[in-house]
Amino acid sequence: KAGVTQTPRYLIKTRGQQVTLSCSPISGHRSVSWYQQTPGQGLQFLFEYFSETQRNKGNFPGRFSGRQFSNSRSEMNVSTLELGDSALYLCASSPNRILNTEAFFGQGTRLTVV
Amino acid sequence: DAKTTQPNSMESNEEEPVHLPCNHSTISGTDYIHWYRQLPSQGPEYVIHGLTSNVNNRMASLAIAEDRKSSTLILHRATLRDAAVYYCILRLVDTPLVFGKGTRLSVIA
Repeated sequence: KAGVTQTPRYLIKTRGQQVTLSCSPISGHRSVSWYQQTPGQGLQFLFEYFSETQRNKGNFPGRFSGRQFSNSRSEMNVSTLELGDSALYLCASSPNRILNTEAFFGQGTRLTVV
Repeated sequence: DAKTTQPNSMESNEEEPVHLPCNHSTISGTDYIHWYRQLPSQGPEYVIHGLTSNVNNRMASLAIAEDRKSSTLILHRATLRDAAVYYCILRLVDTPLVFGKGTRLSVIA
């Protein structure tokens, strides 16, 4: 079956702009999480959605937001982009939220802010 | 949050076993131990997880100490494709996967 699909794969934006990234989870998966990966900070958790509700949120400013649709697809939005937002944004999906469930990651969206 | 401690880097020869250690002295009774790895230019990939007993799958084995304060990921025969950053993660109730810095494994031919 198809894996986690993230679009676009690469993106270049200008400081001050906003951006929307998309994640299509594996069919049947209802939990979607987003992560930001940078060389300096590593993999940092952004937020988690399950059944269209945000269940957990990481320590990021309000410029970072997300949502999940009824078909479990998720989007994340970053407004007023800063140079420091340049990163690989990863999405992960799981069938549910129980502890012994594995997460499947997409290839990520590489965002460059200039 | 419970934390894990892993060596920054390890090196292994190809076709030899690799033992990747992880300390988690503050683990609680309901925390699952998960291992993920991230190959270059890819998203993280699930490797294995366990609660109390040792676990085996096609990719690796997970040995969990009796007191659960440490665990070891075992790759039985390292290949060049196993070169990656390996993350040991405690999965806590109602919290997401929280990644630390992991162990960068280099495999030498």
